[in-house]
Amino acid sequence: GAGVSQSPRYKVAKRGQDVALRCDPISGHVSLFWYQQALGQGPEFLTYFQNEAQLDKSGLPSDRFFAERPEGSVSTLKIQRTQQEDSAVYLCASSLGTLHTDTQYFGPGTRLTVL
Amino acid sequence: GENVEQHPSTLSVQEGDSAVIKCTYSDSASNYFPWYKQELGKRPQLIIDIRSNVGEKKDQRIAVTLNKTAKHFSLHITETQPEDSAVYFCAASTLTFQGAQKLVFGQGTRLTINP
Repeated sequence: GAGVSQSPRYKVAKRGQDVALRCDPISGHVSLFWYQQALGQGPEFLTYFQNEAQLDKSGLPSDRFFAERPEGSVSTLKIQRTQQEDSAVYLCASSLGTLHTDTQYFGPGTRLTVL
Repeated sequence: GENVEQHPSTLSVQEGDSAVIKCTYSDSASNYFPWYKQELGKRPQLIIDIRSNVGEKKDQRIAVTLNKTAKHFSLHITETQPEDSAVYFCAASTLTFQGAQKLVFGQGTRLTINP
């Protein structure tokens, strides 16, 4: 079946612009995660959804970052007033259930470049 | 919170030789440890994982060992092939508050297989 998909794959924004990044998880997956991966680093947790409920947003770097999953499937990560330090690859992952031992499947990521 | 350290950051081995990557974690409550392989510009892909109720798991040329007492786990790749060249990430799965969960990743190991 189809894996996790993300769009756009690449996004260039001018500093101060707002951006929206989309994640389509594997159908039926309850859990959805967003991670930020800086160049040459491991992914870092941003936020976690269980269905439509955002249970943990402790990793969001600032109040300029906002994520939603209104119908418990597709999720959007929005960054307002982008800054150069926001440049990174944003990865979405989903897992079937709610156990923290469930495998997380990653999307290809969106590479955001802020000029 | 959980902290994962990974070594070495780069590893170069001759084709056919073995490669070993080591990780340590800090949170004794973590009990699921996946390993991801990430090729340049691609999504992280799970290659093997281990849960804390076992000490070792093997899948063809890949094996993972876990020492819960010492809080470290290792990836072993035998009979390395050029297609094994990639960045490898270890991770620890941890529960956060309100039933949330996340993966905490190591910094990554860039593995190069020399023909």
